[in-house]
Amino acid sequence: GNSVTQMEGPVTLSEEAFLTINCTYTATGYPSLFWYVQYPGEGLQLLLKATKADDKGSNKGFEATYRKETTSFHLEKGSVQVSDSAVYFCALTLNTGGFKTIFGAGTRLFVKA
Amino acid sequence: DARVTQTPRHKVTEMGQEVTMRCQPILGHNTVFWYRQTMMQGLELLAYFRNRAPLDDSGMPKDRFSAEMPDATLATLKIQPSEPRDSAVYFCASGSRTGIITGELFFGEGSRLTVL
Repeated sequence: GNSVTQMEGPVTLSEEAFLTINCTYTATGYPSLFWYVQYPGEGLQLLLKATKADDKGSNKGFEATYRKETTSFHLEKGSVQVSDSAVYFCALTLNTGGFKTIFGAGTRLFVKA
Repeated sequence: DARVTQTPRHKVTEMGQEVTMRCQPILGHNTVFWYRQTMMQGLELLAYFRNRAPLDDSGMPKDRFSAEMPDATLATLKIQPSEPRDSAVYFCASGSRTGIITGELFFGEGSRLTVL
Protein backbone atom coordinates (compact mmCIF):
# COMPACT_ATOMS: atom_id res chain seq x y z
CA GLY A 1 0.00 0.00 0.00
CA ASN A 2 0.90 3.67 -0.03
CA SER A 3 2.49 5.06 3.11
CA VAL A 4 4.83 7.64 4.58
CA THR A 5 7.31 6.94 7.37
CA GLN A 6 9.12 9.70 9.19
CA MET A 7 11.49 9.74 12.10
CA GLU A 8 9.98 9.71 15.53
CA GLY A 9 10.29 12.72 17.72
CA PRO A 10 10.59 14.75 19.61
CA VAL A 11 13.72 16.28 18.17
CA THR A 12 15.36 18.82 20.47
CA LEU A 13 18.01 21.17 19.10
CA SER A 14 19.76 24.33 20.18
CA GLU A 15 19.28 27.48 18.17
CA GLU A 16 21.46 27.62 15.03
CA ALA A 17 21.90 23.84 14.95
CA PHE A 18 21.48 21.83 11.75
CA LEU A 19 18.18 20.02 11.31
CA THR A 20 17.40 16.81 9.48
CA ILE A 21 14.06 15.05 9.67
CA ASN A 22 14.00 11.81 7.70
CA CYS A 23 11.06 10.80 5.54
CA THR A 24 10.65 7.75 3.32
CA TYR A 25 7.65 6.71 1.33
CA THR A 26 6.04 3.75 -0.37
CA ALA A 27 3.82 4.48 -3.33
CA THR A 28 2.44 2.95 -6.48
CA GLY A 29 2.90 5.37 -9.31
CA TYR A 30 4.59 8.77 -9.13
CA PRO A 31 3.58 10.80 -6.12
CA SER A 32 4.10 14.44 -5.35
CA LEU A 33 5.87 14.94 -2.02
CA PHE A 34 5.31 17.58 0.63
CA TRP A 35 6.34 18.87 3.98
CA TYR A 36 3.67 20.55 6.08
CA VAL A 37 4.22 22.36 9.37
CA GLN A 38 1.80 22.68 12.28
CA TYR A 39 2.31 25.37 14.90
CA PRO A 40 0.56 25.01 18.27
CA GLY A 41 -3.19 25.48 18.05
CA GLU A 42 -3.19 25.82 14.29
CA GLY A 43 -3.91 23.73 11.24
CA LEU A 44 -1.26 22.36 8.95
CA GLN A 45 0.27 24.65 6.37
CA LEU A 46 2.35 23.78 3.37
CA LEU A 47 6.08 24.30 3.91
CA LEU A 48 7.49 22.99 0.63
CA LYS A 49 6.80 20.54 -2.15
CA ALA A 50 8.40 18.60 -5.00
CA THR A 51 6.45 17.05 -7.83
CA LYS A 52 9.00 14.86 -9.60
CA ALA A 53 12.25 13.02 -9.04
CA ASP A 54 15.32 15.18 -8.29
CA ASP A 55 13.19 18.28 -7.69
CA LYS A 56 14.24 20.31 -4.67
CA GLY A 57 11.58 22.12 -2.68
CA SER A 58 12.64 25.06 -0.52
CA ASN A 59 11.03 27.67 1.69
CA LYS A 60 12.04 29.73 4.74
CA GLY A 61 15.49 28.13 4.78
CA PHE A 62 14.10 24.58 4.70
CA GLU A 63 14.93 22.23 1.84
CA ALA A 64 14.04 18.73 0.72
CA THR A 65 15.01 16.79 -2.39
CA TYR A 66 12.79 14.17 -4.03
CA ARG A 67 14.97 11.04 -4.24
CA LYS A 68 13.23 8.36 -6.26
CA GLU A 69 16.09 5.86 -5.97
CA THR A 70 15.90 5.89 -2.16
CA THR A 71 12.18 6.83 -1.97
CA SER A 72 13.08 9.61 0.41
CA PHE A 73 12.29 13.27 0.98
CA HIS A 74 14.34 14.35 3.99
CA LEU A 75 13.79 17.82 5.43
CA GLU A 76 16.84 19.93 6.22
CA LYS A 77 17.61 23.37 7.56
CA GLY A 78 21.08 24.74 8.12
CA SER A 79 20.35 26.88 11.18
CA VAL A 80 17.15 26.47 13.16
CA GLN A 81 15.47 29.19 15.20
CA VAL A 82 13.25 29.01 18.25
CA SER A 83 10.35 30.00 16.01
CA ASP A 84 10.81 26.77 14.02
CA SER A 85 9.48 24.78 16.97
CA ALA A 86 6.47 22.95 15.57
CA VAL A 87 5.31 19.57 14.30
CA TYR A 88 6.48 18.66 10.80
CA PHE A 89 4.54 16.26 8.57
CA CYS A 90 5.82 14.54 5.48
CA ALA A 91 3.11 13.69 2.96
CA LEU A 92 2.51 12.31 -0.48
CA THR A 93 -0.23 12.80 -2.98
CA LEU A 94 -0.93 10.31 -5.71
CA ASN A 95 -2.17 11.95 -8.85
CA THR A 96 -4.46 9.14 -9.81
CA GLY A 97 -8.18 8.80 -9.30
CA GLY A 98 -8.76 11.31 -6.58
CA PHE A 99 -5.48 12.90 -5.43
CA LYS A 100 -5.59 11.44 -1.95
CA THR A 101 -2.98 12.89 0.41
CA ILE A 102 -1.34 10.55 2.90
CA PHE A 103 0.52 11.96 5.89
CA GLY A 104 3.30 10.61 8.04
CA ALA A 105 2.90 10.54 11.81
CA GLY A 106 4.58 13.90 12.31
CA THR A 107 7.82 14.85 14.05
CA ARG A 108 7.79 17.37 16.86
CA LEU A 109 10.73 19.78 16.88
CA PHE A 110 11.78 21.78 19.93
CA VAL A 111 14.40 24.48 19.48
CA LYS A 112 16.02 25.87 22.62
CA ALA A 113 17.43 29.39 22.83
CA ASP B 1 -7.09 36.68 2.90
CA ALA B 2 -8.61 33.39 1.72
CA ARG B 3 -8.76 30.69 4.31
CA VAL B 4 -10.68 27.59 5.34
CA THR B 5 -13.09 28.33 8.18
CA GLN B 6 -14.21 25.69 10.65
CA THR B 7 -16.83 25.86 13.37
CA PRO B 8 -16.99 25.26 16.25
CA ARG B 9 -13.36 25.67 17.33
CA HIS B 10 -14.08 23.78 20.54
CA LYS B 11 -16.90 21.47 21.52
CA VAL B 12 -17.46 19.57 24.73
CA THR B 13 -20.37 17.18 24.76
CA GLU B 14 -21.61 14.11 26.51
CA MET B 15 -21.56 10.60 25.18
CA GLY B 16 -24.56 9.86 23.02
CA GLN B 17 -25.10 13.42 21.84
CA GLU B 18 -25.05 14.47 18.20
CA VAL B 19 -22.15 16.60 17.06
CA THR B 20 -22.01 18.58 13.82
CA MET B 21 -18.86 20.26 12.59
CA ARG B 22 -18.90 22.69 9.70
CA CYS B 23 -16.35 23.81 7.18
CA GLN B 24 -16.32 26.63 4.68
CA PRO B 25 -13.69 25.86 2.02
CA ILE B 26 -11.77 28.54 0.20
CA LEU B 27 -13.95 30.07 -2.50
CA GLY B 28 -13.30 28.33 -5.78
CA HIS B 29 -11.75 25.21 -4.29
CA ASN B 30 -13.53 22.11 -5.53
CA THR B 31 -11.97 19.45 -3.30
CA VAL B 32 -12.63 19.14 0.42
CA PHE B 33 -11.08 16.74 2.91
CA TRP B 34 -11.91 15.81 6.50
CA TYR B 35 -9.06 14.61 8.71
CA ARG B 36 -9.00 13.53 12.34
CA GLN B 37 -5.92 14.08 14.47
CA THR B 38 -5.16 12.22 17.70
CA MET B 39 -1.96 11.61 19.60
CA MET B 40 -2.21 7.88 19.07
CA GLN B 41 -3.24 7.71 15.41
CA GLY B 42 -1.84 10.94 14.01
CA LEU B 43 -3.69 12.35 10.99
CA GLU B 44 -6.35 10.06 9.58
CA LEU B 45 -8.26 10.79 6.40
CA LEU B 46 -11.98 10.37 7.08
CA ALA B 47 -13.55 11.48 3.80
CA TYR B 48 -13.12 13.71 0.82
CA PHE B 49 -15.24 15.32 -1.83
CA ARG B 50 -14.69 16.68 -5.30
CA ASN B 51 -17.26 19.01 -6.78
CA ARG B 52 -19.47 18.13 -3.79
CA ALA B 53 -19.50 14.42 -4.64
CA PRO B 54 -18.00 12.01 -2.09
CA LEU B 55 -14.97 10.25 -3.57
CA ASP B 56 -13.76 8.27 -0.61
CA ASP B 57 -15.15 7.86 2.88
CA SER B 58 -13.49 4.55 3.66
CA GLY B 59 -11.71 6.04 6.67
CA MET B 60 -14.94 6.94 8.39
CA PRO B 61 -16.89 4.71 10.80
CA LYS B 62 -20.11 4.47 8.81
CA ASP B 63 -22.37 3.54 11.68
CA ARG B 64 -21.99 6.88 13.45
CA PHE B 65 -20.22 9.29 11.12
CA SER B 66 -21.59 11.03 8.07
CA ALA B 67 -20.13 13.70 5.81
CA GLU B 68 -21.95 15.87 3.30
CA MET B 69 -21.56 18.95 1.13
CA PRO B 70 -24.97 20.59 0.89
CA ASP B 71 -23.46 23.25 -1.35
CA ALA B 72 -20.08 24.36 -2.62
CA THR B 73 -19.50 26.66 0.36
CA LEU B 74 -20.31 24.22 3.14
CA ALA B 75 -19.08 20.80 4.21
CA THR B 76 -20.40 19.05 7.31
CA LEU B 77 -19.20 16.17 9.44
CA LYS B 78 -21.73 14.68 11.79
CA ILE B 79 -21.27 12.17 14.59
CA GLN B 80 -24.37 10.51 16.02
CA PRO B 81 -24.16 9.17 18.64
CA SER B 82 -20.82 10.48 19.86
CA GLU B 83 -18.48 8.37 21.99
CA PRO B 84 -15.46 9.26 24.14
CA ARG B 85 -13.12 7.66 21.58
CA ASP B 86 -14.25 10.31 19.08
CA SER B 87 -12.41 12.95 21.11
CA ALA B 88 -9.90 14.48 18.71
CA VAL B 89 -9.17 17.52 16.58
CA TYR B 90 -11.05 17.41 13.29
CA PHE B 91 -9.52 19.30 10.40
CA CYS B 92 -11.07 20.36 7.16
CA ALA B 93 -8.82 21.08 4.18
CA SER B 94 -9.59 22.29 0.69
CA GLY B 95 -7.76 22.47 -2.60
CA SER B 96 -8.25 23.65 -6.15
CA ARG B 97 -7.93 21.47 -9.19
CA THR B 98 -4.56 22.97 -10.10
CA GLY B 99 -3.35 22.72 -6.54
CA ILE B 100 -4.56 19.20 -6.07
CA ILE B 101 -2.68 18.05 -9.14
CA THR B 102 0.46 18.96 -7.23
CA GLY B 103 -1.27 18.20 -3.96
CA GLU B 104 -1.35 21.42 -1.99
CA LEU B 105 -4.00 21.46 0.71
CA PHE B 106 -5.18 24.43 2.76
CA PHE B 107 -6.20 23.53 6.30
CA GLY B 108 -8.63 25.13 8.68
CA GLU B 109 -7.70 25.66 12.32
CA GLY B 110 -9.57 22.58 13.40
CA SER B 111 -12.48 21.70 15.68
CA ARG B 112 -11.39 20.24 18.99
CA LEU B 113 -14.01 17.76 20.18
CA THR B 114 -14.16 16.35 23.68
CA VAL B 115 -16.75 13.68 24.40
CA LEU B 116 -17.25 13.00 28.10
